[in-house]
Amino acid sequence: GAVVSQHPSRVICKSGTSVKIECRSLDFQATTMFWYRQFPKQSLMLMATSNEGSKATYEQGVEKDKFLINHASLTLSTLTVTSAHPEDSSFYICSAPPGGKDGYTFGSGTRLTVV
Amino acid sequence: AQTVTQSQPEMSVQEAETVTLSCTYDTSESNYYLFWYKQPPSRQMILVIRQEAYKQQNATENRFSVNFQKAAKSFSLKISDSQLGDTAMYFCAFVFIQGAQKLVFGQGTRLTINP
Repeated sequence: GAVVSQHPSRVICKSGTSVKIECRSLDFQATTMFWYRQFPKQSLMLMATSNEGSKATYEQGVEKDKFLINHASLTLSTLTVTSAHPEDSSFYICSAPPGGKDGYTFGSGTRLTVV
Repeated sequence: AQTVTQSQPEMSVQEAETVTLSCTYDTSESNYYLFWYKQPPSRQMILVIRQEAYKQQNATENRFSVNFQKAAKSFSLKISDSQLGDTAMYFCAFVFIQGAQKLVFGQGTRLTINP
């Protein structure tokens, strides 16, 4: 089935630095990638939708300048958390739209801790 | 706006028992998909079952089945002969067939299967 590889799985960074999270579609072309944030014991909250070759669409309340999304190719979408602060600590997950019967394909997630 | 509601934050059953997780949704559209996703402690999102709204027949996947009541906008998941590996967070999700294909998730139900 379709696979989305997400890296890194865990990252700890200092407050004020930037962190990049990558999601690669390994065996299919993902023209769209969804980025979610998940707080402990809560549901997935959609942050933005990236589309290959165009600007990302952000959900209401999500800071565009803090969460930079780039979708430069059909197999790679990146989320950069800029000037990270402890409140940005969370679990981030990417997902590509339906691949037939298997439905949405999710990355394995990135646990970001800002200290 | 479309909403998905899971009214059971936590459930706990004994191994081999049958358990039903509830989900209701709100939409004025008629063409959509419904999903149940499982998120085990690894936090990898796993598709459990999918239902097309235009199909009257309830979807089944081995021990997992749904009770889809379109008029009532209800989409419950039944797990038969529950196993320890079924312990996870379960999310009900909704997406329009047309448009941006954004998944809308419910709040989740934490299911624990006890030995």
